Amino acid sequence: GAVVSQHPSWVICKSGTSVKIECRSLDFQATTMFWYRQFPKQSLMLMATSNEGSKATYEQGVEKDKFLINHASLTLSTLTVTSAHPEDSSFYICSATVSHEQYFGPGTRLTVT
Amino acid sequence: QKEVEQNSGPLSVPEGAIASLNCTYSDRGSQSFFWYRQYSGKSPELIMSIYSNGDKEDGRFTAQLNKASQYVSLLIRDSQPSDSATYLCAVNRGAGGTSYGKLTFGQGTILTVHP
Repeated sequence: GAVVSQHPSWVICKSGTSVKIECRSLDFQATTMFWYRQFPKQSLMLMATSNEGSKATYEQGVEKDKFLINHASLTLSTLTVTSAHPEDSSFYICSATVSHEQYFGPGTRLTVT
Repeated sequence: QKEVEQNSGPLSVPEGAIASLNCTYSDRGSQSFFWYRQYSGKSPELIMSIYSNGDKEDGRFTAQLNKASQYVSLLIRDSQPSDSATYLCAVNRGAGGTSYGKLTFGQGTILTVHP
C-alpha cells in the first residue's frame, strides 16, 4: 500500500529557532501533499496544501511566513517552522492522496522549550 | 454547529460485542467520507472509505452512509481489545484535484474494548 514517511519522528528545539520536517512518498509520486497539525486531545486540522513546483496554499489563520513549505520534487515536501515558540508545540502530520484516499505519514512531534 | 460531529464518547464495549460509532456533517456538498483509527501517539490509519449511500463492509468493519440525513457511521463487529483507539470521522467535498486531500475531521470518539 501507499507509504508516506516523515523525518524526524520527534524534535525538541529552543524558542526562536527553526525546525525542518520532511515528508516523503516512498512508493509513488505525489504532486500534492498536505500538512496537518494536531494539538493534544484535539483533532487534526489542515494547515496547508503543498504543490510540487509551485507555491503552497494555506488554510485561513495559518501564517505562511511562519510555516514555510517547499515541494521540490514529486516525492518530497518540507515544512519549516520558523522562529518556533512554545505554542507551536504540536504533532505535525503530512499526507498524500492515492486513489481519492488520504494516507498519513507517521507524524513529527515538535516540542519547543 | 461544528462541520463534523461525532458521538462524544468515550465508548466502552466488552470484547466480542458490536461497537457503533456515529458522525454527522453539515456540508451537503460533501462527497467522500472516511473513518480513521488513531492509536495514542500515532498518526491516523485509514479503515474505511465510503462514497455512496448504503453499507460498505470490510471484514469486521461496516460503514454506513445516509446523505439525506448527513450521517455516516462505523460498526465494528466482534470487537477486540486491539480495537481500542480513537476513531476519527473525516469528510471532504471531493470535487476533484487537490480537494481530495482537504479533510475535515470530527473530534474523535475514544473506544475502549475491555476483555
